[in-house]
Amino acid sequence: DVKVTQSSRYLVKRTGEKVFLECVQDMDHENMFWYRQDPGLGLRLIYFSYDVKMKEKGDIPEGYSVSREKKERFSLILESASTNQTSMYLCASRPLRDRAETQYFGPGTRLLVL
Amino acid sequence: GIQVEQSPPDLILQEGANSTLRCNFSDSVNNLQWFHQNPWGQLINLFYIPSGTKQNGRLSATTVATERYSLLYISSSQTTDSGVYFCAVLDHLTSGTYKYIFGTGTRLKVLA
Repeated sequence: DVKVTQSSRYLVKRTGEKVFLECVQDMDHENMFWYRQDPGLGLRLIYFSYDVKMKEKGDIPEGYSVSREKKERFSLILESASTNQTSMYLCASRPLRDRAETQYFGPGTRLLVL
Repeated sequence: GIQVEQSPPDLILQEGANSTLRCNFSDSVNNLQWFHQNPWGQLINLFYIPSGTKQNGRLSATTVATERYSLLYISSSQTTDSGVYFCAVLDHLTSGTYKYIFGTGTRLKVLA
């Protein structure tokens, strides 16, 4: 069974803090993704990575950065958290080029920025 | 880029009722997935269905690729079917990789 884990289910931070969200997958997938989910807006892609140390901007990268030092781990960084970054954050992974393969999601992190 | 639209945005059903969720997409696709997000936030793949029809228990899905839509059928709904249903299509990128484009989802609530 594919497993994608996220470091926290719930997180409360203060405005201006640096926030790290960690994601680990155990299926040797090349692709990893970070999304945020807000009511009425669906899932919006923040960043993704298709290899170690490689990253690509998604649809809403502003205010975020990422790090992929090892294949199994993909970190999302909020350099200076703001209240408009309060959201549900979802990590996912999938194989690189198999179009028929699905995407596997972690359980999500609900972040509240005060 | 590809646009994905889902309808209805919200749906309330009595337990035992049937329902149809729709996903329209703006361009030809070779990978379409339906996902279910449970009330605790976990997303699970339901169907990989770029074309044709598939069934899994009380759920079935049909994609008519030439007309750019997909339907998810839920029969004899149960309270455990509650949650958000997402349709997602795969977009091929110039980097040689792929990313999913998600619809905004249909929020389903099944009442006991």
